[in-house]
Amino acid sequence: AQSVSQHNHHVILSEAASLELGCNYSYGGTVNLFWYVQYPGQHLQLLLKYFSGDPLVKGIKGFEAEFIKSKFSFNLRKPSVQWSDTAEYFCAVNAQAAGNKLTFGGGTRVLVKP
Amino acid sequence: DAGVTQSPTHLIKTRGQHVTLRCSPISGHKSVSWYQQVLGQGPQFIFQYYEKEERGRGNFPDRFSARQFPNYSSELNVNALLLGDSALYLCASSPREGATYEQYFGPGTRLTVT
Repeated sequence: AQSVSQHNHHVILSEAASLELGCNYSYGGTVNLFWYVQYPGQHLQLLLKYFSGDPLVKGIKGFEAEFIKSKFSFNLRKPSVQWSDTAEYFCAVNAQAAGNKLTFGGGTRVLVKP
Repeated sequence: DAGVTQSPTHLIKTRGQHVTLRCSPISGHKSVSWYQQVLGQGPQFIFQYYEKEERGRGNFPDRFSARQFPNYSSELNVNALLLGDSALYLCASSPREGATYEQYFGPGTRLTVT
């Protein structure tokens, strides 16, 4: 069964600091990868996604993620965070052999201090 | 445009009872997925429906069932409620079938089982 691990449960940063959130998945076949974000009081929304091609994916609000197949990883990065990036971030994986099932990681709560 | 809507917002039930949760997708979206999010964890996939047919099922007992109506709205039913069913139930819609398309999440229904 596919599984997704997010290494950090809570991250606290100051504004302008760089952010990197780890995500590892267990499935060895072809995968589709996602990062979703939930801002306080808002719904889950898509930040970025990777299906194929360039392993460096750019998303909204200056976020990017790099797919490293050999490490089964899809880490999320932002060079300089803002207070408005305070949110919970979820990595999600769809293994193509698993059909329509989307598996989420446990989430990482990020607090950006002004 | 209206987003995904879910009703009710909150619900309190007693062990052994039955519950029905409702979801209206974004206009034009034909696929609806249901997720369970237990406090402190990421969403867990329960079902995906497309064109009124079940297209994916997660690892949930048969007490969980769902259906999709001709207008693409959906219901999630849970029978014989257990304390462990207490969670936020999320509905997500997407234009087409499959986990590869961006899913648009609703605000969720908070179910408490006492």
